[in-house]
Amino acid sequence: KAGVTQTPRYLIKTRGQQVTLSCSPISGHRSVSWYQQTPGQGLQFLFEYFSETQRNKGNFPGRFSGRQFSNSRSEMNVSTLELGDSALYLCASTPRGAGGSSYEQYFGPGTRLTVT
Amino acid sequence: GENVEQHPSTLSVQEGDSAVIKCTYSDSASNYFPWYKQELGKRPQLIIDIRSNVGEKKDQRIAVTLNKTAKHFSLHITETQPEDSAVYFCAASPQTGANNLFFGTGTRLTVIP
Repeated sequence: KAGVTQTPRYLIKTRGQQVTLSCSPISGHRSVSWYQQTPGQGLQFLFEYFSETQRNKGNFPGRFSGRQFSNSRSEMNVSTLELGDSALYLCASTPRGAGGSSYEQYFGPGTRLTVT
Repeated sequence: GENVEQHPSTLSVQEGDSAVIKCTYSDSASNYFPWYKQELGKRPQLIIDIRSNVGEKKDQRIAVTLNKTAKHFSLHITETQPEDSAVYFCAASPQTGANNLFFGTGTRLTVIP
């Protein structure tokens, strides 16, 4: 099976702009989670989507949003970009998501966002 | 919310020696504890995980132990090799059925040939 893919891989934006990142999960995986990775804060959970619904949300401002489509592909959007939003944005897909135990998350290669 | 602490932040070992990385968590409801390896410029890769109903799990040179009472878990790598050099992250999942992980701050492991 093909792994998790993310596009674009690199992005440079200026403050105040908005950005949309895309994630395609492993075929058959229905849950997609998003994480922000920075040298200072490490890996932080943004949100999780399952069956087109946001199921969990981390402690990030409302400028960070996401959605999931019927084919499980997910996008995240950051509006009014700030310098501190520069980070590696990772998505991860999970084979199951409805009840039961938590399952293994498989990460994509990430999108490196630089805000100038 | 869940808080995961990880130690040490850096670890250097001689090739062939063992390496141990320790993590503690705060939420007693956490029930899933994966470990990820991240090489420079690459994605985190799941190397082993353990669930709260198991005390120990082993996969070749890698093992993880979990002490639910003390709320800590550890990664053990035996017979280390240079290709084990990477940053290792522990994580905890605080909700059954949820896929949100809380990560430790990472351990940079260097294996000296």
